[in-house]
Amino acid sequence: NAGVTQTPKFRVLKTGQSMTLLCAQDMNHEYMYWYRQDPGMGLRLIHYSVGEGTTAKGEVPDGYNVSRLKKQNFLLGLESAAPSQTSVYFCASISPGQGYNGYTFGSGTRLTVV
Amino acid sequence: AQRVTQPEKLLSVFKGAPVELKCNYSYSGSPELFWYVQYSRQRLQLLLRHISRESIKGFTADLNKGETSFHLKKPFAQEEDSAMYYCALAFISNFGNEKLTFGTGTRLTIIP
Repeated sequence: NAGVTQTPKFRVLKTGQSMTLLCAQDMNHEYMYWYRQDPGMGLRLIHYSVGEGTTAKGEVPDGYNVSRLKKQNFLLGLESAAPSQTSVYFCASISPGQGYNGYTFGSGTRLTVV
Repeated sequence: AQRVTQPEKLLSVFKGAPVELKCNYSYSGSPELFWYVQYSRQRLQLLLRHISRESIKGFTADLNKGETSFHLKKPFAQEEDSAMYYCALAFISNFGNEKLTFGTGTRLTIIP
């Protein structure tokens, strides 16, 4: 049981390039989230999804797009990368009604935009 | 709006000394609070949640609604406690789904 898997683990992009980060969970969770982690700013929510085919904006959505075509996958896209998007990206998932048992996080993707 | 504040970015404590990581929150509803821990270059892991009132790895945290605090405590620090700690507040969004708001984190370093 892998839990939440993020690919890739590391990536270096040039300004203006595009890429997609993949989050896959095998726990049949309904809700999935993308966070970015920056020093001194904690984790900030980028986008989230409450189910297959639905997505919504979080605190810092600008410059990112997401898709949830399959329940188990949540994709985060950067259409035109900027240095300000250098960060560690974490995906998380949870199912409703778990009684706040806590979220399951992926191991993160470290992205550097030069 | 919901908010979580961790006033200390860095905290250094000698091994064997008591540890207290501060967390304050603001939320108009009934809060569900958590502490997450992130060891070096690893994923975030749930450390403990206030509803279970449990002690994990010697850590405890009590919800104080009067002071809107959820401080994390351990009586005797160990070197393996060195990590980043995040306090988090779970709530139901306007769309009916659960969301988690994090504090900015406290990096705890245990001095041998």
